[in-house]
Amino acid sequence: RKEVEQDPGPFNVPEGATVAFNCTYSNSASQSFFWYRQDCRKEPKLLMSVYSSGNEDGRFTAQLNRASQYISLLIRDSKLSDSATYLCVVNGGGSYIPTFGRGTSLIVHP
Amino acid sequence: DADVTQTPRNRITKTGKRIMLECSQTKGHDRMYWYRQDPGLGLQLIYYSFDVKDINKGEISDGYSVSRQAQAKFSLSLESAIPNQTALYFCATSGGPGEEAFFGQGTRLTVV
Repeated sequence: RKEVEQDPGPFNVPEGATVAFNCTYSNSASQSFFWYRQDCRKEPKLLMSVYSSGNEDGRFTAQLNRASQYISLLIRDSKLSDSATYLCVVNGGGSYIPTFGRGTSLIVHP
Repeated sequence: DADVTQTPRNRITKTGKRIMLECSQTKGHDRMYWYRQDPGLGLQLIYYSFDVKDINKGEISDGYSVSRQAQAKFSLSLESAIPNQTALYFCATSGGPGEEAFFGQGTRLTVV
């Protein structure tokens, strides 16, 4: 079982839709969590950190459920420009190495 | 200028050749990483380093070696390139345990 698992999608949604992604992680000692965005074959860039209390940034909301070992990303009012791959990242274990999920592809269409 | 710079950005090389990918950073971070990305597989860790004297293998280190020449520089070498090492390679840095990672723009490597 991979340490960090995501549904690869693609999620194909119309503009204005609300879409949610989940990510599960296997290491219960994991300490920090992030969502990154990656545009086609470019470098990943931090979208938002995920805190135990949740985190909201405009149309984006991230939540952490430690008991069930998953994090989520909710995107409201989807824009065409949201089309990208969303990577779940978990830092944990003894060395806090960033460990990536495979990514979830989002396609927002007119 | 980018905080994390990778060179070259694109490279085509022949099977059996030795190739070095370079990474330099201006963020003053101690932690540096090399990842490989293949379509549909996400980012896989090749090597990581927490300071100049610290080098550690990641999940897919076979066929690769690294050198941490200074805090700011971390190079990845393919001693004898093979076609299945064709991939997109990313260097990244982070400031400390649990902090976000910052990425270079990537090196697209093709081994023919």
